[in-house]
Order: sequence, then structure tokens, then C-alpha cells
Amino acid sequence: GENVEQHPSTLSVQEGDSAVIKCTYSDSASNYFPWYKQELGKGPQLIIDIRSNVGEKKDQRIAVTLNKTAKHFSLHITETQPEDSAVYFCAANPWMDSSYKLIFGSGTRLLVRP
Amino acid sequence: ETGVTQTPRHLVMGMTNKKSLKCEQHLGHNAMYWYKQSAKKPLELMFVYSLEERVENNSVPSRFSPECPNSSHLFLHLHTLQPEDSALYLCASSRSWQETQYFGPGTRLLVL
Repeated sequence: GENVEQHPSTLSVQEGDSAVIKCTYSDSASNYFPWYKQELGKGPQLIIDIRSNVGEKKDQRIAVTLNKTAKHFSLHITETQPEDSAVYFCAANPWMDSSYKLIFGSGTRLLVRP
Repeated sequence: ETGVTQTPRHLVMGMTNKKSLKCEQHLGHNAMYWYKQSAKKPLELMFVYSLEERVENNSVPSRFSPECPNSSHLFLHLHTLQPEDSALYLCASSRSWQETQYFGPGTRLLVL
């Protein structure tokens, strides 16, 4: 089955610096990799996703890169702001006929210091 | 977050109580999900419904009973829960079971 590992578990950066969160997955058939942001008292919100036919995707200050050979993908946040402080989850969705679930990483708590 | 709503937002119940969690999605999606989120654990999928038919039951104890009367509503019926069932219960929906999932705000459950 699919296993998703996420590192680091906590990350503290100075406002304006960049933050990078990394995930690895085990099932080479995985085809879809979303990233979610969860603020206190709220459900996870999708912030960016990438499919396996693309190596990089960018949306303003957020970018995701995918290395299919190494089976890892990363979230990059540039020019961090205090409102970026939250828990971030990566996930993978194995592309199989009977697969319909996201396997989540354990989360990264990001703190952006003003 | 108005696309997927959940009620109640907070619930405290005794181990002998029966209660239900409700989820409603306003996105026209065909698939709905229940997840459990505990401290220090990844999100755990509990149930998946696609076109109102249960397609996944992830080895969840029978004290949790889902119901999907139509594609917009999903319930989780709870009875004789244990203290270790205390967690945040999240509902999600997607256009189909292979597409992006959108989460509700969750119900924070405390079992005494």
C-alpha cells in the first residue's frame, strides 16, 4: 500500500524567508499530489496540487516540485508571511482502478516569526 | 469554506449516548468522505460514498455508522463510543472519487 512520509514535523522561519516541506511516497503508481493548509479550528484547505505529468507548478508565492524517479515532492513558500503559519499536509492518490483515497503525510507545523 | 458545512462544530457525549454528525456540500459533487483527525496522527479515511453508494469502509468499528441519503448530505451516526474516539471528524467532497477533495471545518468530538 501507499505510504507518505513528510518532513520536517515543525518548521520555524523568519518572515520574508523561504520555507520548504518535503514528502516521499512509496507507490510508483501514484499520480496526483495535493497540498493542504490547515489553520487552527478549520478543516484542511487545498492550496496547490500537481499531477505526475508535470514536474513543477507555481501559484504566486507557492510552488510544488515533483521528482517521479525519486518519488518525492516538495512545497516551496517564498517571502513567508505570518499568515502562512499553519499545519501543512501533503498527500498522494495512487492511480489504481479501485483507488479512491488520499494517503496523507503526518503534517508540518510552520511558524513564521514576525 | 461555505462549500462543505458540518454540524455541530463541537460535541461532548458520554459513552452511552447516541448522536449524529451532519455534513452538507453545496458544490454539486458526487463523492463524499469521512475522515478522523487525532493528535499526532495523519488523517485517517473512514468511509467513502460515491453516488450515494458506500465504496470504502476502512476497517472502522461498528459503533460508527455512516448514512448518505443523497449526494449532498452525509451523516455519521455515533453510539457507545470510547474516550479514544475523541478527535476532529472531517467531511470532504469531490466531483468524483478520483478528483480533488474539499474539506469542511470539522466536528470536534469529546467522549467522556
